[in-house]
Amino acid sequence: EAGVAQSPRYKIIEKRQSVAFWCNPISGHATLYWYQQILGQGPKLLIQFQNNGVVDDSQLPKDRFSAERLKGVDSTLKIQPAKLEDSAVYLCASSPGGTANTGELFFGEGSRLTVL
Amino acid sequence: AQSVAQPEDQVNVAEGNPLTVKCTYSVSGNPYLFWYVQYPNRGLQFLLKYITGDNLVKGSYGFEAEFNKSQTSFHLKKPSALVSDSALYFCAVRDIRGGSYIPTFGRGTSLIVHP
Repeated sequence: EAGVAQSPRYKIIEKRQSVAFWCNPISGHATLYWYQQILGQGPKLLIQFQNNGVVDDSQLPKDRFSAERLKGVDSTLKIQPAKLEDSAVYLCASSPGGTANTGELFFGEGSRLTVL
Repeated sequence: AQSVAQPEDQVNVAEGNPLTVKCTYSVSGNPYLFWYVQYPNRGLQFLLKYITGDNLVKGSYGFEAEFNKSQTSFHLKKPSALVSDSALYFCAVRDIRGGSYIPTFGRGTSLIVHP
């Protein structure tokens, strides 16, 4: 079974530029999560999708961050314009929906963003 | 809101010795608790979970965790540490916000196993 795929693995940009990260969850997983992990901290949930609907985006800085999961499969997280404090690893995770969901998440390798 | 706390930034242990990584929780109702491990430049990997039943939960790589309701703790343990166990460990709880289940993580504990 293929795992959660993320790209790119690494990205370096100047502040005020834009960046996009892509995630393809495990096949059949209805729930998709984007987390931000700043060095030395635990992952912070940015947005959670159930199929193509948003479950929670209360911690997503909506003035600069956006995310979509148009067909209920893969997802894109965009930052525009980037700030220095956006330097972090962006983790995508997925989990089965409904009664198959026993709580654990399956994570991708992450996308490391450096903003200069 | 449900939350977890990891009181130690770093735990040091000698190879072959038992290890404990601490986690306490604050939840209303029955907690769903998890442990994940993160190796350098990798995503998080699920180790084990407690939902209900036996207070001692066994997981991957020889790890186990003990759910203690009176102390609101869910400490991760291993009887004999390996150098390869050196990694970041995250405790997590399934929070409920707006009627939906939201996984919420602690800040992490760095485990260093010395040869």
